[in-house]
Amino acid sequence: SAVISQKPSRDICQRGTSLTIQCQVDSQVTMMFWYRQQPGQSLTLIATANQGSEATYESGFVIDKFPISRPNLTFSTLTVSNMSPEDSSIYLCSLRSGWVNNEQFFGPGTRLTVL
Amino acid sequence: AQSVTQPDIHITVSEGASLELRCNYSYGATPYLFWYVQSPGQGLQLLLKYFSGDTLVQGIKGFEAEFKRSQSSFNLRKPSVHWSDAAEYFCAVDMNSGYSTLTFGKGTMLLVSP
Repeated sequence: SAVISQKPSRDICQRGTSLTIQCQVDSQVTMMFWYRQQPGQSLTLIATANQGSEATYESGFVIDKFPISRPNLTFSTLTVSNMSPEDSSIYLCSLRSGWVNNEQFFGPGTRLTVL
Repeated sequence: AQSVTQPDIHITVSEGASLELRCNYSYGATPYLFWYVQSPGQGLQLLLKYFSGDTLVQGIKGFEAEFKRSQSSFNLRKPSVHWSDAAEYFCAVDMNSGYSTLTFGKGTMLLVSP
């Protein structure tokens, strides 16, 4: 299985600021995903980030609020822009090596608190 | 749209007792099915998965799950719970239809009492 690391592991931010979360994978993968897990809730997919194409956002998420970069096959970033307390969540990077009979792996998450 | 229901928000089990966590899905065809565990402060770890074939699947840490098509269920079981099993458990489905991703249930928090 792939090893996924995220930085920072946690942060406390002020309202109105932005935070960029980094996701590093130890192998080349095509499909990467960003999820949000709000307190006491399940995981919600924010967007799919495939290398070489624009990120695809799910309903309720927009690029201006959550810009994503995918410069190569081992790295991605998610920025949470103009933060408000409602953005306090765990943000998880995820990947899968293919669509058919393939597992989806998750990073350790970034715990974000917005004051 | 597909959905996943985990009807139990919290479950408390005595150490050594058996465990069953429920999961039901709503989808026209048989999706791929997964159980993940999330320990406090940790990411998600895959416990087991069902793609096809034998409907009773074995996973890591002594867990198993049974797919029942007639009930649209994929319940997770363990015959004897250990204190280290205390965590949140998520059931997830994948539609297995081209460009699809995981849909998660709301999770069940397992508490283990001495």
